[in-house]
Amino acid sequence: AQKVTQAQTEISVVEKEDVTLDCVYETRDTTYYLFWYKQPPSGELVFLIRRNSFDEQNEISGRYSWNFQKSTSSFNFTITASQVVDSAVYFCALSEARRSGANSKLTFGKGITLSVRP
Amino acid sequence: GAVVSQHPSWVICKSGTSVKIECRSLDFQATTMFWYRQFPKQSLMLMATSNEGSKATYEQGVEKDKFLINHASLTLSTLTVTSAHPEDSSFYICSARDPTSTRGRQETQYFGPGTRLLVL
Repeated sequence: AQKVTQAQTEISVVEKEDVTLDCVYETRDTTYYLFWYKQPPSGELVFLIRRNSFDEQNEISGRYSWNFQKSTSSFNFTITASQVVDSAVYFCALSEARRSGANSKLTFGKGITLSVRP
Repeated sequence: GAVVSQHPSWVICKSGTSVKIECRSLDFQATTMFWYRQFPKQSLMLMATSNEGSKATYEQGVEKDKFLINHASLTLSTLTVTSAHPEDSSFYICSARDPTSTRGRQETQYFGPGTRLLVL
């Protein structure tokens, strides 16, 4: 069975601090996808990134960066120079990679509530 | 990214009534949509997978007759909460995948803005 663990439940930082959100996953599949979603207070889940299990290259997008370590089954998310608008719940998720058109379910972690204080 | 809408965003109803929630993919055709339920300060719980033109696949513990799902077209899935009771009050959110995307993008689920249901 697949499992995603986000051990941190709540993190509070002061604006401009860097913050790393941890994600550890378990799966028996050799091919899978990892995701991060942001859920602001409005409730909508915003897609941030998808990572294929074959691609361990780290990715940077503006102030966001992701560190995928297959050896430790981790997919951590770092926000550099955090801003108040980054305050949200962040979910890490895992899905199997299936044939296109087949149903692949997302397994979510419990989420991390990030509060960025001015 | 792909855009998914949901309607209504808020609904308040009396106990015993039925409530219909719509989920639409606006700029792509979604053969598969997913319905989730989220309680306050908790993660998302998958309720069912909605397949266009066929019956939905429900997760264990989800009552099929309670939560009716219809996926009549490639851009619309509906969730009907029948005979709603206060314990059905929750945040319901749908998602959809674009199966025509390439290079792994078809694996990405795009979420609607959610519907907050309050049953009095």
